[in-house]
Amino acid sequence: KAGVTQTPRYLIKTRGQQVTLSCSPISGHRSVSWYQQTPGQGLQFLFEYFSETQRNKGNFPGRFSGRQFSNSRSEMNVSTLELGDSALYLCASSPASGGAGDTQYFGPGTRLTVL
Amino acid sequence: AQSVTQPDIHITVSEGASLELRCNYSYGATPYLFWYVQSPGQGLQLLLKYFSGDTLVQGIKGFEAEFKRSQSSFNLRKPSVHWSDAAEYFCAVGGDGNKLVFGAGTILRVKS
Repeated sequence: KAGVTQTPRYLIKTRGQQVTLSCSPISGHRSVSWYQQTPGQGLQFLFEYFSETQRNKGNFPGRFSGRQFSNSRSEMNVSTLELGDSALYLCASSPASGGAGDTQYFGPGTRLTVL
Repeated sequence: AQSVTQPDIHITVSEGASLELRCNYSYGATPYLFWYVQSPGQGLQLLLKYFSGDTLVQGIKGFEAEFKRSQSSFNLRKPSVHWSDAAEYFCAVGGDGNKLVFGAGTILRVKS
């Protein structure tokens, strides 16, 4: 089975712009979660989508949003970019139930640099 | 609220030596515990997980971890480290739906 794929792998944007990142989960997985990784804050949970519905949300401002499509692919969007949004954004997928015990499989990440 | 503490930011071991990475968690109920590894520029790879049952968990690449409820710990061990084990290791606790709370990570350096 193919793993979690994320596109693009690298992005450079300027302050004030917006950006959309894409994640394709492992085939058959219905839950997709997003995490932000920075040197200062470490790995932080952004949100989780299951069957096209946001099921859980971390403590991030409303500039961070996401969605999930019927084929389980997910996108996250960051509007009005700030320098502090520079990070590695990781997507993870897990199997059908998406419960607390599910193993999450991570993609390689998208490295976003905001200038 | 859930939290994870990895007390060691960096650890250096000689190739062939044993390894133990420490992890302490805070969670009200029986936790779901995970160890992930991240190589530079890569995503996270699952090494092992604990849900219930046997407190000694075997994982991939020769790693194991022991869950100790009385100490709120889930330490990762490997009897003999290889140079390819150099990476950053993250302990995580789950329980709030599919949300994982990660520790700050431990960077492992291997001396030849």
